This record gives sequence, structure tokens and C-alpha cells, in this order.
Amino acid sequence: GQQVMQIPQYQHVQEGEDFTTYCNSSTTLSNIQWYKQRPGGHPVFLIQLVKSGEVKKQKRLTFQFGEAKKNSSLHITATQTTDVGTYFCAGTNNLFFGTGTRLTVIP
Amino acid sequence: DTEVTQTPKHLVMGMTNKKSLKCEQHMGHRAMYWYKQKAKKPPELMFVYSYEKLSINESVPSRFSPECPNSSLLNLHLHALQPEDSALYLCASSQERAVYEQYFGPGTRLTVT
Repeated sequence: GQQVMQIPQYQHVQEGEDFTTYCNSSTTLSNIQWYKQRPGGHPVFLIQLVKSGEVKKQKRLTFQFGEAKKNSSLHITATQTTDVGTYFCAGTNNLFFGTGTRLTVIP
Repeated sequence: DTEVTQTPKHLVMGMTNKKSLKCEQHMGHRAMYWYKQKAKKPPELMFVYSYEKLSINESVPSRFSPECPNSSLLNLHLHALQPEDSALYLCASSQERAVYEQYFGPGTRLTVT
């Protein structure tokens, strides 16, 4: 069946450092969505990517969709303590969530 | 109103109990979802309702029974659960199935004793 892996599983960064999480699917994705889940919270939608090679920016967050639509990345510039949480990608083919990357930001 | 509400917030039930989880949204969304999330794991899709009809059932055991009484409400009926069913149960909704952003509720933390 379809698998969506994310790396790294965990990331600890000093505040101000950059952070990147990668999402890799075993099958081609129609679209990909990214969600953030704060500790003790619920997933919150961040963005959806639709086109091959698409790049979208939200302030310090940059999202990319691979040319083959099988991988994606989320890059955060100059992390802040408010960025703490687990970041999930999700393919819209069958709403399969990736394994997630848990980000810890050390002040 | 971009909120999805879920009740109860916490639920403790024995293996012989029958209980229900409730979810409500007033955004006019036509797709609603149930997910199960274990600690430190991603949400796992259980059921999808599209226009009040069950469109996806991800091979969920029959001790979980979903119901969509109307376009704003989604229930999950629980019966004869096992301790391994303890988890956070998340409800979500979206404008249409799959290709639109999902709005998640705060979840119900279920403990089966």
C-alpha cells in the first residue's frame, strides 16, 4: 500500500536556526497538504501544493512539491519557539498522513 | 465560524460499555472525517462521509460505527472496545472530499479500561 515517509523523525534546533522536513511518497500524489500539530493540539492546515515543481511561501515557511509529485519539503527560516510542533504532510489521493517530523526549538 | 467542535473532550469507558462521540461543524462543509491518532503517530483515517453518505471505510472493526444524521453532525458509536482502541479521536471537515483543506476538531481522548 501507499507509504508516506518523512525525515527526520525528530529535529532539535536552536532558536534562529533553519529547519527542513522532507516528505517522500511511494506513489505519485495528486496534491499534497501540510499540517502542523502543536503538542496537545490538533492538526492545523498550512498549505496545499498542486502542481509539479510548485513552490509556495508563507512568511518564514517555504513549501516545495517535487517534479515527479512524489516528494515535498517544508523549510522554516530562522525558527522561533512558536514553530514547535509536529509537521505532517498528507497526500490527498487517500488522505494518508506522513509519519511526521517533531520539531523542538531551544530558546 | 471556522470551528469544528467535538464532545466529550475526554472519555473513559469499560470494554462492555456503549458510548458515542459527537462532532459538529457549521461551515457548510459536505465532507466529514473520523481519524484515530495514537501517541506520537500520525492521524489514521477511519471513515469519510461525503454529502452525508459513507464513502470510505478504512477496514475499521465493526465495534466502531459511524453515523451522519445531517450535513453538520457526525457521530461515532463505540461498543465492546478493546484497550488498544485507546487513542485521540479526531473529527475533521472539508468543503468537499479530499482536495480541500481539512479543519480538525480538538479531538476526544478515549481511554478503554
